[in-house]
Amino acid sequence: EVQVLESGGGSIQPGGSLTLSCAASGFAFSSYSMSWVRQAPGKGLEWVSRITSSGDSSYFGDSVKGRFTISRDNSKNTLYLQMSSLRVEDTALYYCARTIRSRTSYTTYYFDFWGQGTLVTVSS
Amino acid sequence: SYELIQPPSVSVSPGQTATITCSGYNLRDKYASWYQQKPGQSPVLVIYQDSERPAGIPERLSGSNSGNTATLTVIGTQAMDEADYYCLVWDSGTAVFGGGTKLTVL
Repeated sequence: EVQVLESGGGSIQPGGSLTLSCAASGFAFSSYSMSWVRQAPGKGLEWVSRITSSGDSSYFGDSVKGRFTISRDNSKNTLYLQMSSLRVEDTALYYCARTIRSRTSYTTYYFDFWGQGTLVTVSS
Repeated sequence: SYELIQPPSVSVSPGQTATITCSGYNLRDKYASWYQQKPGQSPVLVIYQDSERPAGIPERLSGSNSGNTATLTVIGTQAMDEADYYCLVWDSGTAVFGGGTKLTVL
């Protein structure tokens, strides 16, 4: 059974740093891109970042570019999101999602399995 | 940056057909996926590559993409279909979600 389990969320003051983890199981983790998607309380979904299966390339949404870093350890089947210079507007539930590339479009992906999310609250 | 527009809400009577739209510039040149999210739950993929259904998704959910609009259609809507629905496309290496549509089954 495919599972992804996020952890590491918590309360942090503006300007602080936090690292989220996503432990994957039930599939060949090293063969898949992975992504982070967040959802502010009562709001819609916002894509945060994607990393390739090998970890050699990563991509970010404009709102987090330069502040967040995504990485993975394929030997531990774990995805990470390092967040720094946190802002109040980064408050959200952060989901880890397995990311599948389309068979017919090299630049199209979709998220086929999602975790339950870990909550990050940025507040003074 | 690329934008996707969805109606905030759609209402439908049980057994009727619900149509949720997702509009974006030249959307037909991209592949859309759709996600269903029920209260307190994580999103679930219901449509990918415009019209493909993952295993376990009922046939009454279908998708299409033409012109500037991708559409999620629910035929014979049931109470269990009540949820928020989000469309997603990729543009220049980044993922873009629509604002979401709350489907209410009256």
